[in-house]
Amino acid sequence: SAVISQKPSRDICQRGTSLTIQCQVDSQVTMMFWYRQQPGQSLTLIATANQGSEATYESGFVIDKFPISRPNLTFSTLTVSNMSPEDSSIYLCSGGQSQETQYFGPGTRLLVL
Amino acid sequence: GNSVTQMEGPVTLSEEAFLTINCTYTATGYPSLFWYVQYPGEGLQLLLKATKADDKGSNKGFEATYRKETTSFHLEKGSVQVSDSAVYFCALSTNAGGTSYGKLTFGQGTILTVHP
Repeated sequence: SAVISQKPSRDICQRGTSLTIQCQVDSQVTMMFWYRQQPGQSLTLIATANQGSEATYESGFVIDKFPISRPNLTFSTLTVSNMSPEDSSIYLCSGGQSQETQYFGPGTRLLVL
Repeated sequence: GNSVTQMEGPVTLSEEAFLTINCTYTATGYPSLFWYVQYPGEGLQLLLKATKADDKGSNKGFEATYRKETTSFHLEKGSVQVSDSAVYFCALSTNAGGTSYGKLTFGQGTILTVHP
C-alpha cells in the first residue's frame, strides 16, 4: 500500500493569485494523477504527472492554468494559477504501482474569493 | 470514451436495511472496476475492486460483481450501519495502454445516509 499526504489541507485565496499544492507518497509509485472535485460533484481527472517530463493533460485543462511538476517517483506539485472563484474545489492527488490500485491523498480544499 | 453512470441519489436507509447502489459503465478496452468511499471530511478510500468478468469484490460486508453482459457493477450490503454513511463512487480504469493506463473515470457519486 501507499500513504499519500497533501499540503496544504485547505486554503482561502484571493482571485488572481496562484497556489501550489504538494503531494508526497511514502513509497515510489509508477503513476501519479491529479483530480478535481468541484462542490457536490464527482472527480474529474486534470492530468497525469509524468516523472521527468511534461504532464499529460485531459481535455479542458491546460498547462498554463495547472502547471504540474514531478521531479521523482514520490513527489508531485500542482499549481492553480491566476485563480478565480470557479477554481474553488477539492484537489486530490493519487498514486499507485498498477492500474488496479490507486491510492488517494486526503485532498486540498481550496476556496477562492 | 469511458463513462460511468450511478443511480440517482441521495439514498436514505434505516440501520440494518439492505443496500443496493447501481452502477453501469461504457468502456473501450477491458476495464477494471472499483468502488471508492468518501467519508465526511476525508479523502477517497478504495472499498473494493474487480478486474475481470464474474469477479466479485468484497470488503467490510460490501460486495459487487463484475457483470460484463450487462456492463454493471452494482454495490450491495445486506445490513447497513450508521457508520456506512458516506459518498460512494463507482469507477473504472482501462488497460488500453499508453496515456490511458491507470486513469480512473468516476461516476457522479451516491450519498448514503443511514439513520439509527
